Amino acid sequence: DIQMTQSPSTLSASVGDRVTITCRASQSIVSWLAWYQQKPGKAPKLLIYKASILESGVPSRFSGSGSGTEFTLSISSLQPDDFATYYCQQYNSYDLTFGGGTKVEIK
Amino acid sequence: QVQLQESGPGLAKPSETLSLTCTVSDYSISSAFYWGWIRQPPRKGLEWIGTISHSGSTHYNPSLKSRVTTSVDTSKNQLSLKLSSVTAADTAVYYCAGAVTDTDGAFDIWGQGTMVTVSS
Repeated sequence: DIQMTQSPSTLSASVGDRVTITCRASQSIVSWLAWYQQKPGKAPKLLIYKASILESGVPSRFSGSGSGTEFTLSISSLQPDDFATYYCQQYNSYDLTFGGGTKVEIK
Repeated sequence: QVQLQESGPGLAKPSETLSLTCTVSDYSISSAFYWGWIRQPPRKGLEWIGTISHSGSTHYNPSLKSRVTTSVDTSKNQLSLKLSSVTAADTAVYYCAGAVTDTDGAFDIWGQGTMVTVSS
């Protein structure tokens, strides 16, 4: 099965900072990658799919890039509502896998 | 607006079978790309359990495959999950999710989740 490795596991940042999270796949997943945001006690929310397509209603400060085995999620100017945990997930194969998560904390 | 609602016992005893249902509202269960079950142990990350299409085609996490069964009831617009021989390691919030728009497999709709504790 395909392993997904996210880094960093924790990120401390301030409001207004540009933030980048990386996700690496153990083999090529083409562009079949999604990014989710999860807040405490809530279900994950889809932000980006097919590596770079912004889900409807998601602010444009979020962006995704990459293909093959290396992907990034960027937040151009961190807002108070963005402090959360972010997960990547591959769906190249029917055996889905999530990354371990990146917690974005207030610096 | 599409809504998913998980339901089932919040407590299971070790060695028993955990059974959960996910009711889909305002959307035909037959129209989705597929449906999935995902769980999250306390203070840990997300773990994919399995996916099922409206036709009943299933795929399961290899680490859980021997204990998992999922099904779709199109007449009730419901999904179900059964996990056998549970242990404390199966304590988690269980989510159902669906790929219902043109994401080609990313889960764009999630239930609120239901907490299941395995304890004697």
